[in-house]
Amino acid sequence: DTAVSQTPKYLVTQMGNDKSIKCEQNLGHDTMYWYKQDSKKFLKIMFSYNNKELIINETVPNRFSPKSPDKAHLNLHINSLELGDSAVYFCASSQASGRDSPLHFGNGTRLTVT
Amino acid sequence: GENVEQHPSTLSVQEGDSAVIKCTYSDSASNYFPWYKQELGKGPQLIIDIRSNVGEKKDQRIAVTLNKTAKHFSLHITETQPEDSAVYFCAASWGGGADGLTFGKGTHLIIQP
Repeated sequence: DTAVSQTPKYLVTQMGNDKSIKCEQNLGHDTMYWYKQDSKKFLKIMFSYNNKELIINETVPNRFSPKSPDKAHLNLHINSLELGDSAVYFCASSQASGRDSPLHFGNGTRLTVT
Repeated sequence: GENVEQHPSTLSVQEGDSAVIKCTYSDSASNYFPWYKQELGKGPQLIIDIRSNVGEKKDQRIAVTLNKTAKHFSLHITETQPEDSAVYFCAASWGGGADGLTFGKGTHLIIQP
């Protein structure tokens, strides 16, 4: 069983479109995250959710919005896609909110905006 | 916020030799330092971590050392094998008490047969 699963694995779309990426974790973790990995492999946190509360919101455009219907899911909605949004997006989860909780990552969604 | 520097960006070693990857961090309040391995087409996977009350930790062929005074930590892989080829990331927890990790920029480790 996959611990953190995200869909789709690949997403190709045109500029200006709106798209969503879904994430589910079956680890019973309290906190979920979205990370963006650019073409140079740099990993940067975008959001985290703990008990349905947004507790981190990095300086990402407001075209990106996380939605958490329950503790096991954290979806990422992106409006008005731009070329610069092309990247790999990783969902992750951790046991508890805190500074020393190991992250468990999904296998990523490669977003290509044309 | 936290800033993590990682070196080298690429490391090529002969199979069987040791590999060392080094990281420095800026926030003296950071107390958690994990290392992740990312294979092609997959997400990063935790391989070892260390907390600030410990100076060294080992798990079979992998070890991590931490020098809090100098604010640097290192990953050591001994007896390298082809399956060790991957991108390795160090990370440090934020000093502000919020969730999340700041990652280094990654090291592409290549094991030469």
